[in-house]
Amino acid sequence: DVKVTQSSRYLVKRTGEKVFLECVQDMDHENMFWYRQDPGLGLRLIYFSYDVKMKEKGDIPEGYSVSREKKERFSLILESASTNQTSMYLCASSLSWLYEQYFGPGTRLTVT
Amino acid sequence: DAKTTQPPSMDCAEGRAANLPCNHSTISGNEYVYWYRQIHSQGPQYIIHGLKNNETNEMASLIITEDRKSSTLILPHATLRDTAVYYCIVNNYGQNFVFGPGTRLSVLP
Repeated sequence: DVKVTQSSRYLVKRTGEKVFLECVQDMDHENMFWYRQDPGLGLRLIYFSYDVKMKEKGDIPEGYSVSREKKERFSLILESASTNQTSMYLCASSLSWLYEQYFGPGTRLTVT
Repeated sequence: DAKTTQPPSMDCAEGRAANLPCNHSTISGNEYVYWYRQIHSQGPQYIIHGLKNNETNEMASLIITEDRKSSTLILPHATLRDTAVYYCIVNNYGQNFVFGPGTRLSVLP
């Protein structure tokens, strides 16, 4: 079974802190994705990567950056966390673009 | 914006078939229809996808109308564990997946 793991299930950070969310997949997938999920807004794509060191902006990239130094690992970075970044963050991976995405369990981030 | 329309909620009796409709009237010829579900406090889970033909796997069946403007996801024997939000998505190469609000399915004992 494909496994996508995220570094934390729950995280509490203060405004202005730099936050790293880590995602690891074990199936040699090419594509990796970061989404955030908010009530009433559904899942929204922040960034995705289709290869090592490659990244593309999704629908809501502002305030975020990403890093993919190794194929299995995709990191989401909040350079200076703000309260409006309090959300559920979901990582996903897929073999290729039209293949199904496998999601991690999510990280619920609270910024105070 | 999502390219699909789904009812916000549905109920289904345990053991009965759950039929979840999805309207995608603006779908283009090379766009696939995907279904995912999200059980409370978990990440979304892939269920099935198709292009033109009906598809079946161990989880569900996908029925796509001949004009491809709508589809139905069928869970043949719903259980309480099938209670979740179900998302219907149309997508093609190079497009971002857009998860709309989905249908909240409640399987009742």
